Amino acid sequence: DAKTTQPTSMDCAEGRAANLPCNHSTISGNEYVYWYRQIHSQGPQYIIHGLKNNETNEMASLIITEDRKSSTLILPHATLRDTAVYYCIAPRGDRDDKIIFGKGTRLHILP
Amino acid sequence: GAVVSQHPSRVICKSGTSVKIECRSLDFQATTMFWYRQFPKQSLMLMATSNEGSKATYEQGVEKDKFLINHASLTLSTLTVTSAHPEDSSFYICSARDPSRGNYGYTFGSGTRLTVV
Repeated sequence: DAKTTQPTSMDCAEGRAANLPCNHSTISGNEYVYWYRQIHSQGPQYIIHGLKNNETNEMASLIITEDRKSSTLILPHATLRDTAVYYCIAPRGDRDDKIIFGKGTRLHILP
Repeated sequence: GAVVSQHPSRVICKSGTSVKIECRSLDFQATTMFWYRQFPKQSLMLMATSNEGSKATYEQGVEKDKFLINHASLTLSTLTVTSAHPEDSSFYICSARDPSRGNYGYTFGSGTRLTVV
């Protein structure tokens, strides 16, 4: 897995956009960037993934820099239910490769 | 699609007994499943990779005789914590990847909270 670096914690006001950065400067050409989140006492939940292009789904947007060394997860209108630990991961491209979790970013949504 | 069911969600057992945790892929076949452990306020730590029809691959520092993994079918992997002790109390999570979904990543179970008393 490419090493990823994320801030330990972030705060965001409810209703505002939450922008979570991730640095993955050692990522290789075939490694996707995945984002998961873990709400307290639950299993991780898939959010979004991308390779080169920006991606958007019903949960979030993923902005990947042109050199692919960093990315930003955007939650457009954060709610209290978005309070969680967010993990940015770049596993190797092998078919059955395992996911190694870093420490993630603890996002607090403030009312 | 791609649902992983984990059972039980919570279990309390006495020190010295064994506990089995099940992980099922409900709507896909998973040749490989993964087992993680998570202590309070810490990240998930990969324990082992479970391979259908063959022996599991354990991460460094994980005792394979204590954490028995069986992956007897394409939809079921089990983790047995043998001779459990209070320090084995943790949140155990399994994961599986649906190969038919390409790069849509891995699906995780909802976790099992093990308390050894």
